[in-house]
Amino acid sequence: DAGVIQSPRHEVTEMGQEVTLRCKPISGHNSLFWYRQTMMRGLELLIYFNNNVPIDDSGMPEDRFSAKMPNASFSTLKIQPSEPRDSAVYFCASSGPGQGGRGANVLTFGAGSRLTVL
Amino acid sequence: AQSVTQPDIHITVSEGASLELRCNYSYGATPYLFWYVQSPGQGLQLLLKYFSGDTLVQGIKGFEAEFKRSQSSFNLRKPSVHWSDAAEYFCAVARSNDYKLSFGAGTTVTVRA
Repeated sequence: DAGVIQSPRHEVTEMGQEVTLRCKPISGHNSLFWYRQTMMRGLELLIYFNNNVPIDDSGMPEDRFSAKMPNASFSTLKIQPSEPRDSAVYFCASSGPGQGGRGANVLTFGAGSRLTVL
Repeated sequence: AQSVTQPDIHITVSEGASLELRCNYSYGATPYLFWYVQSPGQGLQLLLKYFSGDTLVQGIKGFEAEFKRSQSSFNLRKPSVHWSDAAEYFCAVARSNDYKLSFGAGTTVTVRA
């Protein structure tokens, strides 16, 4: 398995531009998570999907952020318009049901997308 | 809500020496506990996890961790570190059967020759 695949690995954009980050979870995993990592705030959960349905988006900073999961093998995180304070590393992670439902907690992370907004 | 504290921001250890990273959690019931490692420019990789049973758990890369309920701790240990162990280490906790992981702030490990 190729693991969780994220693209792009690096993105540099100017303030006000739209940014789209992409994620392909591990085949067979039914849970998908988007995290943001910054020096100041550490790892923050932005949104959680289960079976392609958004279950918890309470971590999404504001309306400029949106996420979709049109099918089991693809998810996007969009920022429009982007701002310098959105600069961070964005991680996608997926997990499967595992045994007794505990697998949901065992996350496999992608390599991350480093976003710089100028 | 559960929370995780990693008291040490940065640890420097000599190659071949032992390593212990501290993790304390705040949660009323028995939590699910995890240690992840992040190498520079990479995502997080699961080292080990504790759900129940034996309180000493073995992980990958020669790491182990011990769950101590009385101390609300889940410290990570390795008897002899290698230069490749230089990375950032994150402790995480979740409520049983809850998807939401709470991560600690991380401990950066530097290995000197």
